[in-house]
Amino acid sequence: GDSVTQMEGPVTLSEEAFLTINCTYTATGYPSLFWYVQYPGEGLQLLLKATKADDKGSNKGFEATYRKETTSFHLEKGSVQVSDSAVYFCALSDRGRDDKIIFGKGTRLHILP
Amino acid sequence: GAGVSQSPSNKVTEKGKDVELRCDPISGHTALYWYRQSLGQGLEFLIYFQGNSAPDKSGLPSDRFSAERTGGSVSTLTIQRTQQEDSAVYLCASRLQGADGNTIYFGEGSWLTVV
Repeated sequence: GDSVTQMEGPVTLSEEAFLTINCTYTATGYPSLFWYVQYPGEGLQLLLKATKADDKGSNKGFEATYRKETTSFHLEKGSVQVSDSAVYFCALSDRGRDDKIIFGKGTRLHILP
Repeated sequence: GAGVSQSPSNKVTEKGKDVELRCDPISGHTALYWYRQSLGQGLEFLIYFQGNSAPDKSGLPSDRFSAERTGGSVSTLTIQRTQQEDSAVYLCASRLQGADGNTIYFGEGSWLTVV
């Protein structure tokens, strides 16, 4: 079945460091891919998305490119801030199967000032 | 409404009691999901409603859990005879199937504590 695998956390970085959170997926159809973020004490918010191969989603300085050849959707940011501390979830929605959304286990990110 | 609305936002209940959690999805959204997030854990799928189709209940952890969606809109998740391991955040989400890049939108969650 469809699945999402993302790097385990916690990830701890200093402010202004470069961030990569890896995410790979398996899907039988043609999924849309998402990154959701959960700030402390808050609900999940959509961070960015990509609906087809080679699309790049971007928001708040974060980027992720839909790589069909490597089945990946890695999240990157060039210079992280303390306010980026949160849990990040990679997810897919397999449009061809009209199915439930599959989430990764989440990666907790700590940014040190 | 403007977003997915869940109530109550916080619920403390005694072990063995029944609880009902409510979700009001975004107006016009045809698909509705319930997830559970335990402390420090990822998102556990519970149940999925899509239009008039039979719901996908494959994630419900036991027969103490049930959910219904009335009139294709509001949904209620019911947990009977609550146990301490039911303590978690219960998240509801909705989406407009086949549109908006299949993006789902989450509510703030209902924080359930069973004591």
